[in-house]
Parts: sequence; structure tokens; C-alpha cells
Amino acid sequence: SYELTQPHSVSVSPGQTASITCSGDKLRGKYAYWYQQKPGQSPLLVIYQDTKRPSGIPERFSGSNSGNTATLTISGTQAMDEADYYCQAWGSGVYVFGTGTKVTVL
Amino acid sequence: EVQLVESGGGLVQPGRSLRLSCAASGFTFDDYAMHWVRQVPGKGLEWVSGISWNNSTRDYADSVKGRFIIARDNTKNSLYLQMNSLRSEDTALYYCAKDRRPTGEGGMDVWGQGTTVTVSS
Repeated sequence: SYELTQPHSVSVSPGQTASITCSGDKLRGKYAYWYQQKPGQSPLLVIYQDTKRPSGIPERFSGSNSGNTATLTISGTQAMDEADYYCQAWGSGVYVFGTGTKVTVL
Repeated sequence: EVQLVESGGGLVQPGRSLRLSCAASGFTFDDYAMHWVRQVPGKGLEWVSGISWNNSTRDYADSVKGRFIIARDNTKNSLYLQMNSLRSEDTALYYCAKDRRPTGEGGMDVWGQGTTVTVSS
């Protein structure tokens, strides 16, 4: 099977940087994608192909991918960034989501 | 406006079937792969199935392989999920999602609001 592991939760103060990791053996050599999901809402793509931001996503969201670990970084975190975040990768014709990380802005 | 609207969810007994539909608008439907993703309330996202722009490739998660069938009708801008032999563990909110690429592997940039499936006797 294909598993992507994320920390269960991350806490960050407003204006500080939050980093969320996503690890999995089969992430190596694959693109990583990141989604934000707020309570009661559908997921929103915030990063695709490791580092790219869709139109309308703020510059404070950035991504990287090296080896078997992808990272989503939120710089200058705002209260509105409080949400669940999921990584995703594609391999052998199937997509897999990470376990999800709850980001709390304290 | 780019939009996906799911329908067809409901309460169904274990072992029975249900067919979900997703109506797409605001973009050229047959240019993109499409997917179904589900989420148990309070839990994480699970990719269920995906289909390429021209129906040539259909993929499934192991948890639904052999029971679910994905299909699309490009003339009707619609995506479907035929769910057979339903189990209690299939209970979830089912989302329809658009891929950024025609054959998949592009990430999902448009999502519907979801339709709820409850499998219970």
C-alpha cells in the first residue's frame, strides 16, 4: 500500500511560520499536492507539483519536496489559515492522501 | 462559474447499490480527468476512483475495487459512480473533483460540495 504520514497537529502564533511535513517511501520522485480544508467546506488546492500555487492562493503558502518528504510552509500565518491540511501524491495510477494535519493559530 | 454539483446520495441497506452523479459546468469537461473522493465526518480524505478525459483509464482504491464503477458522459458533462455491494464502511460524504490534467496526476483544483451516503440497515 501507499501511505503518507503527517503530524496530527501543528500550533503557530499569528505572524509566525508553520511547517507541515508529509513523509512516505513512495513520495520519492513523485509530485506532492497540498489541500486546505476548513470546517464545513470542501478541500481547496493550495500547492500543486511540489511548489506551484494555483491562482488566488496567497504567496505565504509555499511547498518543497526532497527525498521522501514534502513540506508545506505557511509564512506569516494568519488566523484565516487555521484549518486541516492534507498532502497528496500520485503513483501507479492511484492518488493517496496524507493522514492530515490540524493547524491551530494561537 | 466553474461548478461541480453532486447528487444521488442517501440511506441504503448493506449489500444494495447506489449511483452517484456529478454535473459539471463552467469549464470544458472533456479536457480533464475526474475523481471521486470520500470523507467520513471528522476523518481524513480518501481517494476513491479516477477516470481519464476520454474514459480510457479508470482507477480505483483497493477498498472499492470490484464493487464500484466510475464512468463519465462527456456529452452530458457528467461524472458517475456506481456503487455496488455497499458496506457500512462506505458511509461517507462523497466529493466529485476535477483534475488539472486530462490523464490525472495534476492535483484536484475544483471540488463539489459533496453528497452523503449512509449504509445502514
